[in-house]
Amino acid sequence: GENVGLHLPTLSVQEGDNSIINCAYSNSASDYFIWYKQESGKGPQFIIDIRSNMDKRQGQRVTVLLNKTVKHLSLQIAATQPGDSAVYFCAENLISGGGADGLTFGKGTHLIIQP
Amino acid sequence: NAGVTQTPKFQVLKTGQSMTLQCAQDMNHEYMSWYRQDPGMGLRLIHYSVGAGITDQGEVPNGYNVSRSTTEDFPLRLLSAAPSQTSVYFCASSYLQGKNIQYFGAGTRLSVL
Repeated sequence: GENVGLHLPTLSVQEGDNSIINCAYSNSASDYFIWYKQESGKGPQFIIDIRSNMDKRQGQRVTVLLNKTVKHLSLQIAATQPGDSAVYFCAENLISGGGADGLTFGKGTHLIIQP
Repeated sequence: NAGVTQTPKFQVLKTGQSMTLQCAQDMNHEYMSWYRQDPGMGLRLIHYSVGAGITDQGEVPNGYNVSRSTTEDFPLRLLSAAPSQTSVYFCASSYLQGKNIQYFGAGTRLSVL
């Protein structure tokens, strides 16, 4: 089936710098995207979402950008902190089709914050 | 708020044994689902339910059964465990209408020997 994948499995950044985590998706019909954060030993935690009718959405220290032309999604984390160390997943869904098929997840990027 | 609660947190089984992974949510969500997470594979959907009495298969349903007798509970059954089912299992729930942000439990780490 179609998949959602990430470009880099590991990203290492200095504390205080900005982080950018990328995600490519192949299902052009997907209309809803979510970023999750998963800390070691815990379940995925919702960070931010975006619908396909938007190209940018901002939250607290996080921004998601969506480029439907190239089917690319990114998560920007400003002024990274040690607590940002985790695995980040992008996920896609087709909510206009009911959304009941669940989320399709990428493989994840491990973000490491260096002091 | 409890959210999504999974039990047990850890389990070791022998090949051929059966067990049930429990999942309960207190948010009155219509939609519940089970995922398994394997290294390098991300999360893959096993089964899901859009309401009490309704279940359907996800991407990797073989070897697993589910039922949804109440809105709150969505147990996952392994009838005859196999080593290939060694994984971390996550239950999630969401509203069905509108944006279906799924909320996840803490997971059950299962080892099948």
